[in-house]
Amino acid sequence: DTEVTQTPKHLVMGMTNKKSLKCEQHMGHRAMYWYKQKAKKPPELMFVYSYEKLSINESVPSRFSPECPNSSLSNLHLHALQPEDSALYLCASSQVTVAQGLYFGPGTRLTVL
Amino acid sequence: AQTVTQSQPEMSVQEAETVTLSCTYDTSESDYYLFWYKQPPSRQMILVIRQEAYKQQNATENRFSVNFQKAAKSFSLKISDSQLGDAAMYFCAYVGSTDSWGKFQFGAGTQVVVTP
Repeated sequence: DTEVTQTPKHLVMGMTNKKSLKCEQHMGHRAMYWYKQKAKKPPELMFVYSYEKLSINESVPSRFSPECPNSSLSNLHLHALQPEDSALYLCASSQVTVAQGLYFGPGTRLTVL
Repeated sequence: AQTVTQSQPEMSVQEAETVTLSCTYDTSESDYYLFWYKQPPSRQMILVIRQEAYKQQNATENRFSVNFQKAAKSFSLKISDSQLGDAAMYFCAYVGSTDSWGKFQFGAGTQVVVTP
């Protein structure tokens, strides 16, 4: 059983659409992460929320917009995406001390047409 | 900046045999954490094993063990008695103990192929 859940599992959207990805963690963690992963590549960090404060990877385009209403829930809002944004989007959580590592959700497979 | 290097894009092993995956890292920090993650074809990333830099003893988890050489900045993963279910991409990861944002550095990954 995964304790980090992500919905939807798959998403197909056009370049003019607006959609959101959802992530919930049930582990009592205080940090949540969004990663982008291309096939056979390592995950690339997009955003980190720690105690509801946000850290942004400066290379992430503004068409990605994170939200963290509380420490157990995070949404990634998508608008005006490009085909190159097609990837697996992984959510993860951790304790504030990073010693125990990251716990990943199953991911959302996003295809942009 | 810290970097993590996995020099083996792919490793092949027969069932019941042992395979060792290499990982080296570059850091100026003295205290940090190292991890191996497994990502099977179903794509969920799973934590396999972790190592604290200030601990001399190598971590073990069932058939998985590490060889941590702090001076050499090396952190290899040994999979013993390999099983078909071990087939996956394996990522080595580093994070500094004082990194308040938890910005983990991942290696490029090693694809493990298990043959019957």
